[in-house]
Amino acid sequence: TQLLEQSPQFLSIQEGENLTVYCNSSSVFSSLQWYRQEPGEGPVLLVTVVTGGEVKKLKRLTFQFGDARKDSSLHITAAQPGDTGLYLCAGANQGAQKLVFGQGTRLTINP
Amino acid sequence: KAGVTQTPRYLIKTRGQQVTLSCSPISGHRSVSWYQQTPGQGLQFLFEYFSETQRNKGNFPGRFSGRQFSNSRSEMNVSTLELGDSALYLCASSLRAAGGSNEQFFGPGTRLTVL
Repeated sequence: TQLLEQSPQFLSIQEGENLTVYCNSSSVFSSLQWYRQEPGEGPVLLVTVVTGGEVKKLKRLTFQFGDARKDSSLHITAAQPGDTGLYLCAGANQGAQKLVFGQGTRLTINP
Repeated sequence: KAGVTQTPRYLIKTRGQQVTLSCSPISGHRSVSWYQQTPGQGLQFLFEYFSETQRNKGNFPGRFSGRQFSNSRSEMNVSTLELGDSALYLCASSLRAAGGSNEQFFGPGTRLTVL
């Protein structure tokens, strides 16, 4: 059974600070997706990384896929209250639609 | 392009009843997957339908079933409801293109409460 462990589970920081969320597994994934979920809504896809070592940037968010495609990180620079939400990583295998999700990181940015 | 739609958004049932949830994927998407989200277990894969056939199945009892229609719309059914079935049920659609990156786009979910 493939598992993804996210850390930290909860993070509360002040506006303007930087943070990193980690997503780790002992299994290899063909791709990894990051989502953000607001209360009462479905997850919204932020990015997909598919190549080992790949780095993608989305404004103040930087996503990295580990060289061995077993782990990933999300770094947010100068966090803003609008970044508050539940961040989820999800791994997928080639040809399979089943996503394996981490437990999520609940991020709170205080003004 | 319209996103994934799910109906109803909220549902309250009692133990022993059955429930049917509906999902309409993004236009052109032929794969629909269902997930259960609970505070304790997080997001767990239920099953995936593509071309009206179940292609993958998660570790859920047979009380959970689904189907897909020729227009790619999907329904999920839970019979003999238990208190533990209370959850947010999420539907996700994807192109399921060969060699694709498995990107899935989620609907807003159906919040099921079992009393």
